[in-house]
Amino acid sequence: NAGVMQNPRHLVRRRGQEARLRCSPMKGHSHVYWYRQLPEEGLKFMVYLQKENIIDESGMPKERFSAEFPKEGPSILRIQQVVRGDSAAYFCASSPTGTGGMGPQHFGDGTRLSIL
Amino acid sequence: KQEVTQIPAALSVPEGENLVLNCSFTDSAIYNLQWFRQDPGKGLTSLLLIQSSQREQTSGRLNASLDKSSGRSTLYIAASQPGDSATYLCAEDPVRASGSRLTFGEGTQLTVNP
Repeated sequence: NAGVMQNPRHLVRRRGQEARLRCSPMKGHSHVYWYRQLPEEGLKFMVYLQKENIIDESGMPKERFSAEFPKEGPSILRIQQVVRGDSAAYFCASSPTGTGGMGPQHFGDGTRLSIL
Repeated sequence: KQEVTQIPAALSVPEGENLVLNCSFTDSAIYNLQWFRQDPGKGLTSLLLIQSSQREQTSGRLNASLDKSSGRSTLYIAASQPGDSATYLCAEDPVRASGSRLTFGEGTQLTVNP
């Protein structure tokens, strides 16, 4: 049973470009969460999604960031017009269907985003 | 404001020692509390999850306790080994109308010296 899969593992972008980060949850999981870990800081919640629905996006920056979890395919975290301050590790987690989202969260290995 | 605090921020011990990592949280209502391990450049590995109704969980040399009344959790590591060296994170899952979201502490960086 594969774990949470994130790709790419490393992503380099120049300022002003777009970054797309992908996350495939564990089999049997329908709840997806995105967290960001800035250098020398702890992990901070960004957004919680279920299939085709954003449940809680209170941790997302108001501009340039968006997330989706379509009916088919992985969840996507999209960052438009990236700036140096977006450089961070972005982690995706998933939890089991049927737990109302309150089951244990299983994390992927993250995407390390570097902005030149 | 939800806050999770971990003490100490860093800890260095000789191999074989038993040790305790501390986590305190401010939310009075939580679904659960999780302990994770993070190795440099890697993701998070879930170690133990304590449901709100539980007092402790054990896995191998690890034991985690939860005291909701005082807002504290501890992770006890017995007979530490160099392979235990990593950053340990605790995270609470507070009860919220919009469902789950983990609030993390800053972590304790553990070094076990051979």
